[in-house]
Amino acid sequence: QVHLQESGPGVLEPSQTLSLTCSVSGASISSGRYCWTWIRQPAGKGLEWIGRINPRGDVNYNPSLKGRLTLARDPSIDHFSMRLLSVTAADTAIYYCARCVPVGDWGCESFDFWGQGALVTVS
Amino acid sequence: DIVMTQAPLSLPVSPGEPASISCRSSQSLSHSNGNTYLAWYLQKPGQSPQLLIYLVSNRASGVPDRFSGSGSGTDFTLKINRVEAEDVGVYYCMQGLQTPFTFGPGTKVDIK
Repeated sequence: QVHLQESGPGVLEPSQTLSLTCSVSGASISSGRYCWTWIRQPAGKGLEWIGRINPRGDVNYNPSLKGRLTLARDPSIDHFSMRLLSVTAADTAIYYCARCVPVGDWGCESFDFWGQGALVTVS
Repeated sequence: DIVMTQAPLSLPVSPGEPASISCRSSQSLSHSNGNTYLAWYLQKPGQSPQLLIYLVSNRASGVPDRFSGSGSGTDFTLKINRVEAEDVGVYYCMQGLQTPFTFGPGTKVDIK
């Protein structure tokens, strides 16, 4: 069974950098079969896709966050991560990491496994 | 970006009764490879979203057969044959055809 676990700072001040890590077990992030993605959810609101990284390390970002966002991976320890610069209160949300079943380099069939989420508060 | 809409946004249902949720996309989710990239997720209270349906009508592993998906192009439907208490939560549709992947606003299903 695939398991994902987010870890991060919990609370940040405005203008700081948010760094989150997703630890993966039960699958290898460099296996060549899946992409690894971040999704966030402000309290009481819907889901927003943040970005994804594929086994080659290629990334796709949500344009709404482009310029502030960097995704990276460390296949040696089956971790992938995100960094979001210059956070504001609007970045307060639960951040989920998830596995994506990719379709070529352009699509995603589904997010089939999700982490439990990490609450990030910018205040 | 592809905009996803859902209706209704709130759906009270009696146990054992059927339920239906509509999802529409601002452009066709069909690809020339023959697949249509529409998925459904359920977020139970206090939990992460979980995959229910992918490619319009394929149930994910472990999903009960009372859940079914249908549709094509821009119009899709999730049906629950007979709602059970464990089905309460928010249902989201999502398009995976192109980045940024986008979700519908969610439909909250609860028991009457």
